[in-house]
Amino acid sequence: GAGVSQSPSNKVTEKGKDVELRCDPISGHTALYWYRQSLGQGLEFLIYFQGNSAPDKSGLPSDRFSAERTGGSVSTLTIQRTQQEDSAVYLCASSPWTGSYEQYFGPGTRLTVT
Amino acid sequence: GQQLNQSPQSMFIQEGEDVSMNCTSSSIFNTWLWYKQDPGEGPVLLIALYKAGELTSNGRLTAQFGITRKDSFLNISASIPSDVGIYFCAGTSGTYKYIFGTGTRLKVLA
Repeated sequence: GAGVSQSPSNKVTEKGKDVELRCDPISGHTALYWYRQSLGQGLEFLIYFQGNSAPDKSGLPSDRFSAERTGGSVSTLTIQRTQQEDSAVYLCASSPWTGSYEQYFGPGTRLTVT
Repeated sequence: GQQLNQSPQSMFIQEGEDVSMNCTSSSIFNTWLWYKQDPGEGPVLLIALYKAGELTSNGRLTAQFGITRKDSFLNISASIPSDVGIYFCAGTSGTYKYIFGTGTRLKVLA
């Protein structure tokens, strides 16, 4: 079966523009996570979804970041008025249920803000 | 955000050598995970640990959950060129929120 997919794989945008990053989790997985990985760093937790709801948004770096999930499946991470410090790889992972150690990661979206 | 301390940051080893890396936290965890990330890919889960003192193997990989519950170790025996990549530890105290280490970049010299 298909794994987690993310699109686009690479995105170059100008400072101040908005971007949307998409994640398609493994079918049937109820939990979905977004992480940010800056160059040479570990993974920084951003937000997680249980179904369509996001109980904890505290990891989002600023109010320019938002995320939604529809139909318990596809999720979109939106960054408004991008800044150069937003440049990073954004990784999505899905799990069969919240708290499962089985987090399956997508390949990530590399965002570059010029 | 909070991160775990992982060491060494990078290492170069000869093919066939054994590798050891560790991860320490200021907080107690009840689950430790070890991931490997290849260039341009997302992390892949290698080993999961659930109990203090637990020793778990996956092929040439062995990981241990430290007795204090604040550290974990990963060993790779008889390294091969395809072991190259970045190894991450991650821990959780039982919630959805996993804290990731800073990574150990491994390079194997044939």
